[in-house]
Amino acid sequence: SAVISQKPSRDICQRGTSLTIQCQVDSQVTMMFWYRQQPGQSLTLIATANQGSEATYESGFVIDKFPISRPNLTFSTLTVSNMSPEDSSIYLCSVSVRGENQPQHFGDGTRLSIL
Amino acid sequence: GQNIDQPTEMTATEGAIVQINCTYQTSGFNGLFWYQQHAGEAPTFLSYNVLDGLEEKGRFSSFLSRSKGYSYLLLKELQMKDSASYLCASYSGGYNKLIFGAGTRLAVHP
Repeated sequence: SAVISQKPSRDICQRGTSLTIQCQVDSQVTMMFWYRQQPGQSLTLIATANQGSEATYESGFVIDKFPISRPNLTFSTLTVSNMSPEDSSIYLCSVSVRGENQPQHFGDGTRLSIL
Repeated sequence: GQNIDQPTEMTATEGAIVQINCTYQTSGFNGLFWYQQHAGEAPTFLSYNVLDGLEEKGRFSSFLSRSKGYSYLLLKELQMKDSASYLCASYSGGYNKLIFGAGTRLAVHP
C-alpha cells in the first residue's frame, strides 16, 4: 500500500489563526480524502480532494472554513481557518485507488489543539 | 439515509474469541470494511467484504450478509495487543465516500 506522510503531526494554535496540514503520498493515487476525528469519536469525512478542481465538501463543512488544495496526484493540503477551540481534533488524510476491493489507507494524522 | 451501527464497548479475555457486530443501511452499497485503531494512532485496514460469506485472514475473519445489512468481525486467540477500537465502514454512492460507524472499543484482559 501507499506510504502517506502527513505534516505536522501535532500543533497547538491560538484562537483565530489558521493552520495548513500537508499530505504527501509516495505514489499516484486516484482519490484523496480529509477526515476529522474529534476526541472519543469516529471519523467524519470533511471533503474529497479533487485533482485540479474544487474539493467536494460534505454536509456541515464549507470551503471558507476548510480550504483544500490538490495540485497533483500525490499531494494535498487542508487548511483549518479562523480556528476556535471546537476545531481541536485529529485531522486525517486518506487515499485510495478507485476500483474494486480497494480500501482507503490513512496517514498518521495531525493532532490539533486550539487555545 | 446512511447509518452504521456497532456496539460501543466490549471486553474479552486473552486467548478467547470475540465477535464484533455491525449493521448498516447505506445507499449504493459497494462493500464493507473493518479497520483497527489503537489509541492515538491512525486506523489501519483489516478486511473488506463485498460478497456474502466469510473472509478469513489469520486470527481475524469478517462476515457479510448483504440481504440482512449485517457484518461481523471475528477475532480469535485474543492477545493484549488486540485492545483497540474496531471501526466498521461502508462505501456509499460509488467508491467515493467511506462512511464510518462510531467504532467498538475492545478491551482484552489477562
